[in-house]
This record gives sequence, structure tokens and C-alpha cells, in this order.
Amino acid sequence: KQEVTQIPAALSVPEGENLVLNCSFTDSAIYNLQWFRQDPGKGLTSLLLIQSSQREQTSGRLNASLDKSSGRSTLYIAASQPGDSATYLCAVYNQGGKLIFGQGTELSVKP
Amino acid sequence: DTGVSQDPRHKITKRGQNVTFRCDPISEHNRLYWYRQTLGQGPEFLTYFQNEAQLEKSRLLSDRFSAERPKGSFSTLEIQRTEQGDSAMYLCASSPSSTGANVLTFGAGSRLTVL
Repeated sequence: KQEVTQIPAALSVPEGENLVLNCSFTDSAIYNLQWFRQDPGKGLTSLLLIQSSQREQTSGRLNASLDKSSGRSTLYIAASQPGDSATYLCAVYNQGGKLIFGQGTELSVKP
Repeated sequence: DTGVSQDPRHKITKRGQNVTFRCDPISEHNRLYWYRQTLGQGPEFLTYFQNEAQLEKSRLLSDRFSAERPKGSFSTLEIQRTEQGDSAMYLCASSPSSTGANVLTFGAGSRLTVL
């Protein structure tokens, strides 16, 4: 059974810092991996999708990497801003096309 | 294409009442998924449809829960005899294909509060 774990569960940083969020999964037989952002009480906003043949994706200040063999992904946020404060969710697509989520990392960026 | 729509966005009900949520997927998406998210947790898979066929149900989906997708278009998720433990955000998603390259698009969610 696929399990997705995100570390840390919560993170507080001062504005301007670069930071890394970690995601690990137990079964390397995944297709895609996707990072989402969720603001309190809101739905999911897709940030980055890494297809199984790719090793990383970049969008603006965000960079996500994928190492299937070790079962790990990282989300790197450069020059963090207070507007980045949210919960970040990592999710993997299994062979059936189903998304399996981690518990999320709650990020707080202090001005 | 207006994305995945969910209705209502927020429902407050008393314990024991029945509630129904509706999801309208992106047009021509043949897969539709329901997830449940409780406070502080990641979304958990409940069920999914390929067109009108319900192909998988999680053990989380008790007998009080039923989902339908008539004609392979919109879907409804009904919860009968609600309990306080049913309070959660119910998320719907759709995807265009059943291959390993499908990507889910989520709606804004329907938040249920059971008093």
C-alpha cells in the first residue's frame, strides 16, 4: 500500500529565506507526482506536476525534484514571501491513476 | 471550460440529517473522483468513476455514503444519517483519461459541518 509522508508538518521562516519541503513515498512504482497549495478553508491549487520520466520542474520561485528510486521529492521555494503562507501537499499517482496525498506541510512566512 | 464545480460550497446540518453534494466535472473528462479531507490531514480517496461506472470504493465509504454519476456527467455524493465525524471538506476532481498520464483537476470543495 502506497504511503506518502511529508516532513516537516509545520515550518515557520522569516521573509526572504529559501526553504525546502520534503516528501517521501513507499512504493517507487508511481507515474506522476504533483505538488499542491491549499489556503485555509479552500480547495487545492496545483503548483507543479513532475511526470515519471522527469526529474524536476520549475515555475517561478518554485522548483520540485523527483527521485523515484529513493522514493523522494522536494519542493524548493526561493526568497519566500508572506503570501507563500499556506499548506503544501505532495501527492503521487499510482498505476491506477489515483492520487495519494501526504498530510501536508503548513508553512508560515513571517514579515 | 469552467473547471470543476462543486455545490454547495458549505453545508451546515444537524446530526441525523441527510446531505447531498454535487460535482460537475470538466466537460468530456471521463474520470471523476471524490476525496474527503479532515482538519489537518491530506485528502483521502473515497471513490471514482470511469464514465458512469463506479470502479473503486474506499473502505472509508461506509454504508451511509453513496455516490452516483448518471450518464457519465455530473456526480452526486449523498451522506445519510450524518454524524459529527462526517464533518470534513469533500473534494471532487476529474481527469481526461485513464492512462498513467492523467492529471486530476480539483474543484473548490464542499465543506460539511455536522452539529
